[in-house]
Amino acid sequence: IAGITQAPTSQILAAGRRMTLRCTQDMRHNAMYWYRQDLGLGLRLIHYSNTAGTTGKGEVPDGYSVSRANTDDFPLTLASAVPSQTSVYFCASSLGQGGNEQFFGPGTRLTVL
Amino acid sequence: GQNIDQPTEMTATEGAIVQINCTYQTSGFNGLFWYQQHAGEAPTFLSYNVLDGLEETGRFSSFLSRSKGYSYLLLKELQMKDSASYFCAVRDDTSGTYKYIFGTGTRLKVLA
Repeated sequence: IAGITQAPTSQILAAGRRMTLRCTQDMRHNAMYWYRQDLGLGLRLIHYSNTAGTTGKGEVPDGYSVSRANTDDFPLTLASAVPSQTSVYFCASSLGQGGNEQFFGPGTRLTVL
Repeated sequence: GQNIDQPTEMTATEGAIVQINCTYQTSGFNGLFWYQQHAGEAPTFLSYNVLDGLEETGRFSSFLSRSKGYSYLLLKELQMKDSASYFCAVRDDTSGTYKYIFGTGTRLKVLA
């Protein structure tokens, strides 16, 4: 693994289904983030984690949950997907919460029907 | 509240200079960032300003005025590959932890 990876690349999901988007980084970064990107709305922060074992809510957390059991992994779960969660999801990491550069994963394109 | 404004779209000619402006309002300013995103790709970091003044990295420069809540990204010697969206983002520590707020992005088209 080099950098930060996300899986799946894309997914079509029926409304009401549970879905977990995976994010893994091998840079030993302490801070990790989940964003959604919608046309005309830029990137909006969903949840973040400043270090393993801690998480926090971003700008649009409703309908999403995260966990940070270790430094490398930061999965995002949609407990019961709704069509408004159709978006492109980006995971990012930085050296620390004060890190000056966020490294972004390639993104997951999610469609909820 | 927190708010970031930047133009939706700009067009410029190859070889020219373009300036993308960003204004922001935030109660806990802790740095301003510029990211570039090509269509279908992830955002990539361009620059970071926390003090007033100009930061230069190659063809790109970023300026910050904290008193005016204003920044700009300057792209010199434009190339076709510079056609992308550019996002201004502010790091805010109002809640005691850092959060990043992104603008809606400026789509730059570079014409031959």
